[in-house]
Amino acid sequence: GAVVSQHPSRVICKSGTSVKIECRSLDFQATTMFWYRQFPKQSLMLMATSNEGSKATYEQGVEKDKFLINHASLTLSTLTVTSAHPEDSSFYICSVGGVGGGETQYFGPGTRLLVL
Amino acid sequence: AQSVTQPDIHITVSEGASLELRCNYSYGATPYLFWYVQSPGQGLQLLLKYFSGDTLVQGIKGFEAEFKRSQSSFNLRKPSVHWSDAAEYFCAVGTWGKLIFGQGTELSVKP
Repeated sequence: GAVVSQHPSRVICKSGTSVKIECRSLDFQATTMFWYRQFPKQSLMLMATSNEGSKATYEQGVEKDKFLINHASLTLSTLTVTSAHPEDSSFYICSVGGVGGGETQYFGPGTRLLVL
Repeated sequence: AQSVTQPDIHITVSEGASLELRCNYSYGATPYLFWYVQSPGQGLQLLLKYFSGDTLVQGIKGFEAEFKRSQSSFNLRKPSVHWSDAAEYFCAVGTWGKLIFGQGTELSVKP
């Protein structure tokens, strides 16, 4: 498998500020990473697919100008929530795909965002 | 439309009892199938996966799952549940990196 870390594990910010979440693939060079959002007691919803060196692909309904994704290296993808509002409060989880050329995704521990 | 259904939102079993978590899917073709487990406030850990071949797959922590094409199901089983198995379980299906998750089943274990 792959070991994936996220930083920070939790963050509290004021409404209107921007927050950056890092996702690192510690033992695998990931050309593809995924970003998910999970509301309390709900399932994971794919937000976007992050491709190293190119623009991210966003799912329908996800605002690309609000959720900025950068995948500048094979081990790091970042998600920036711009001008955060309370409704952006959620659990954000990243995953790494393509390990060993397969379809399995390996997930990070998640980042809890609370916007006041 | 592509979808994954986990009919049971919450299941409670006694420690040592057997467990079966249900998963049904709707997909255009036979997708890749996964079961993940999530402990509170944590990310997801892969329990097992099915791509092809033997329809009964073994995973970690004593879990197994059976793929039934005719029923579009991929149910997760464990013969004897341990208290540490209490968590949220997600079934997921997909291809080409796009996973669709079920709503999750929360498992509680009674001593």
